[in-house]
Amino acid sequence: DAGITQSPRHKVTETGTPVTLRCHQTENHRYMYWYRQDPGHGLRLIHYSYGVKDTDKGEVSDGYSVSRSKTEDFLLTLESATSSQTSVYFCAISEEGYNEKLFFGSGTQLSVL
Amino acid sequence: QKEVEQNSGPLSVPEGAIASLNCTYSDRGSQSFFWYRQYSGKSPELIMFIYSNGDKEDGRFTAQLNKASQYVSLLIRDSQPSDSATYLCAVWVSFGAGTTVTVRA
Repeated sequence: DAGITQSPRHKVTETGTPVTLRCHQTENHRYMYWYRQDPGHGLRLIHYSYGVKDTDKGEVSDGYSVSRSKTEDFLLTLESATSSQTSVYFCAISEEGYNEKLFFGSGTQLSVL
Repeated sequence: QKEVEQNSGPLSVPEGAIASLNCTYSDRGSQSFFWYRQYSGKSPELIMFIYSNGDKEDGRFTAQLNKASQYVSLLIRDSQPSDSATYLCAVWVSFGAGTTVTVRA
C-alpha cells in the first residue's frame, strides 16, 4: 500500500460541531486530494492541493476547508458539520498532477447526527 | 450533466465469461483515463490507465479508448469470483458513479 494514513477511521459527531480529518503521506508526493463517496454518486472531489499552502476547490467544496502546512499532511475541516456531510471521505495522492494516477488512503467514515 | 458516465449496472456474469464495462466523458480535451477497482468497504485501487486511442492489455484486463467518441471501456476476460467489485472509471480526477460487477461461480 502507498504510505497514506487517514485519521480518524471512524467518527460520529453532532450537527453544528467542527470536525477535522487528517491525511498523512510518507511518499513525498506533491499532489493531495480529498474526496467524498456517497451511494449513487461515486467519488466527488472536495479540494485538492498542489503544494504546501497551495490548494484549490473541487466539485463539492461548499462547507469544507483545507490546509496544507507540510508536504506530508493535508487537513480537511468541516467548520459546522451538517447531516448532509455524512459520508465516507477518502484522501488520495499523486506524484505530480495532470494525467497522474491516484493512490488512496483507507477512508474515514463520518456520521453527523 | 456529470462529466463521467458509466453504465450503472449491476452487472452479473458467470465465471469464465467476459465482463464489459463502459464509460463516456464530456470533456473532449481529456487526456488521461483510469479504471479503479473498489471492493466493498475498501478504498479504490488502480487497475488500468490509458492515454492513447486503441487497446491496452494487462493480464486479463483490456482498456479501450476512443477519443473521437469520448468513450472508454474495460474488458475483464475469464472473469473470476475475485473480480466481484465496483469498477470506477476516472478521467484524471473526475470519477463516474461506478459499475458493480458480480461474478457467479
